[in-house]
Amino acid sequence: GAVVSQHPSRVICKSGTSVKIECRSLDFQATTMFWYRQFPKQSLMLMATSNEGSKATYEQGVEKDKFLINHASLTLSTLTVTSAHPEDSSFYICSAWALENTIYFGEGSWLTVV
Amino acid sequence: LAKTTQPISMDSYEGQEVNITCSHNNIATNDYITWYQQFPSQGPRFIIQGYKTKVTNEVASLFIPADRKSSTLSLPRVSLSDTAVYYCLVGDLDQTGANNLFFGTGTRLTVIP
Repeated sequence: GAVVSQHPSRVICKSGTSVKIECRSLDFQATTMFWYRQFPKQSLMLMATSNEGSKATYEQGVEKDKFLINHASLTLSTLTVTSAHPEDSSFYICSAWALENTIYFGEGSWLTVV
Repeated sequence: LAKTTQPISMDSYEGQEVNITCSHNNIATNDYITWYQQFPSQGPRFIIQGYKTKVTNEVASLFIPADRKSSTLSLPRVSLSDTAVYYCLVGDLDQTGANNLFFGTGTRLTVIP
């Protein structure tokens, strides 16, 4: 199947700083990518939909100024957590729409804010 | 919104066939049904996708009745490595982006030796 890669897989940052997570589709072009957040033993929660060349669409309750999403090319979307706080610590997962309504997920990125 | 409902958890012995059913009563005409497997600290992995009737690949089968209000993922002869959370995702992608791409609770499958 199609490959979606996230980087970094794990990151620790200090409270108040910003951290960027990259999501790349390696063998296909993705006009649409998605960002999810997952807490331990819970389901994935959709944060936003990222469309190449346009502004991301955020789900209700997700602060767009805190979670900046940029989809600058057909193979790359980035999520920047700005002014991170300990409560932002979570597992962040991206996915990309490939073909025929099939969505493939990245490996996920663990963010720890200390 | 095609909300999905799955059993929270299931146990099975090694070597048995496991069937996990997902209910999606409000499925829309353009919605596809996709199943994913997730291990701890990993992103979900695509298992199988279907629109109607039966689909089979090298790892699983997917049964979808005519009314499409439910679907059943069938895993033949499970092994310990199949212990994971299984999600069914019902949704549609049109030219404007994603619709209804929300995950339900998932089913935590535990395979027992």
